[in-house]
Amino acid sequence: RKEVEQDPGPFNVPEGATVAFNCTYSNSASQSFFWYRQDCRKEPKLLMSVYSSGNEDGRFTAQLNRASQYISLLIRDSKLSDSATYLCVVMDTGRRALTFGSGTRLQVQP
Amino acid sequence: EADIYQTPRYLVIGTGKKITLECSQTMGHDKMYWYQQDPGMELHLIHYSYGVNSTEKGDLSSESTVSRIRTEHFPLTLESARPSHTSQYLCASSSFGVGSPLHFGNGTRLTVT
Repeated sequence: RKEVEQDPGPFNVPEGATVAFNCTYSNSASQSFFWYRQDCRKEPKLLMSVYSSGNEDGRFTAQLNRASQYISLLIRDSKLSDSATYLCVVMDTGRRALTFGSGTRLQVQP
Repeated sequence: EADIYQTPRYLVIGTGKKITLECSQTMGHDKMYWYQQDPGMELHLIHYSYGVNSTEKGDLSSESTVSRIRTEHFPLTLESARPSHTSQYLCASSSFGVGSPLHFGNGTRLTVT
């Protein structure tokens, strides 16, 4: 089983739709969580950190459920520019390195 | 925003050549990383460093080596390039605090012919 698992998609949604991605992680000792965005043939860029109480940044909301070991990302009012691959990232204190999920591809259509 | 630079941006080289991919950051970050990513595939950690003279191998076995003689510089070397090394190599850095995110360079796209 992979340490960080994501539904690869693609998620094809119309503009204005709300879309949610989930990510599960296997190490209960994981300490830090992030969502990154990666455009085609570009480097990943930090979208937002994920805090235990949940956090919001504009149209983006991230949630953490430690008991079930999953994190989620909700995108409201999708824009064409949101089309990208969204990477779930987990920091394992044991390995002291970040583990990336394989990513969920989002395609927002006009 | 962290400033992290990778050179070259693109490299096409013949089999058997020695190559060094450069990575430098100007933010004073202690942690630096090398990831390998094939098109449309996931990132794989191949090396990381927590400070000067500290290097560790990552999850993905790699024939490359790294060095960390200066905080800001984390070069990756392939002694003898092979076509199987064709990939994108991404360097990243972060500060030491818990919860510190990674900042990526824009990558080196390597093609070995």
